[in-house]
Amino acid sequence: EPEVTQTPSHQVTQMGQEVILRCVPISNHLYFYWYRQILGQKVEFLVSFYNNEISEKSEIFDDQFSVERPDGSNFTLKIRSTKLEDSAMYFCASSSGVGELFFGEGSRLTVL
Amino acid sequence: AQSVSQHNHHVILSEAASLELGCNYSYGGTVNLFWYVQYPGQHLQLLLKYFSGDPLVKGIKGFEAEFIKSKFSFNLRKPSVQWSDTAEYFCAVEGSNYKLTFGKGTLLTVNP
Repeated sequence: EPEVTQTPSHQVTQMGQEVILRCVPISNHLYFYWYRQILGQKVEFLVSFYNNEISEKSEIFDDQFSVERPDGSNFTLKIRSTKLEDSAMYFCASSSGVGELFFGEGSRLTVL
Repeated sequence: AQSVSQHNHHVILSEAASLELGCNYSYGGTVNLFWYVQYPGQHLQLLLKYFSGDPLVKGIKGFEAEFIKSKFSFNLRKPSVQWSDTAEYFCAVEGSNYKLTFGKGTLLTVNP
């Protein structure tokens, strides 16, 4: 069964450092998403991406965040200068556009 | 903007007990509704979804949910829970760009 894969599974970084989280969506999917879940809180939408551009982003997704689909298979989330409050589980998801999102196993980011 | 409320933060049941988890949503358009489950240490998985038609939707592992439009509700039910149902359950509503908005989640603990 096709699945969304994410790397790394866990990253520890110092405050102010840049982090790139990588995702390989399901191959025939057209819509890509990043969500995050701060420990003990709900899953929050960050950004959606379609046709090589951001289609929607939340207020969380400020100038420190960017997304890219550099080579037609990977979908990356970059945080330019991490803050303590960026510590969370980041989930990538993809969809063919008929309603169901398929999620990856998540990348846990710990900012010290 | 859409929003989702899940009334129960933590539910503790014994095996064979019946389960009902509440979910209410607000959204101005036609709704697509979902329940996702997150088992400990795993990614979000789709339990069931409602797009249209029969408001009683059956999902995997014996779960079902009922869409009641007049109450803006989509409660999740299972007649007899098992220890393996211990997980966090998230209700979600789909908005524009196939974006999901999640509720805060309900942690279900089933004691053997």
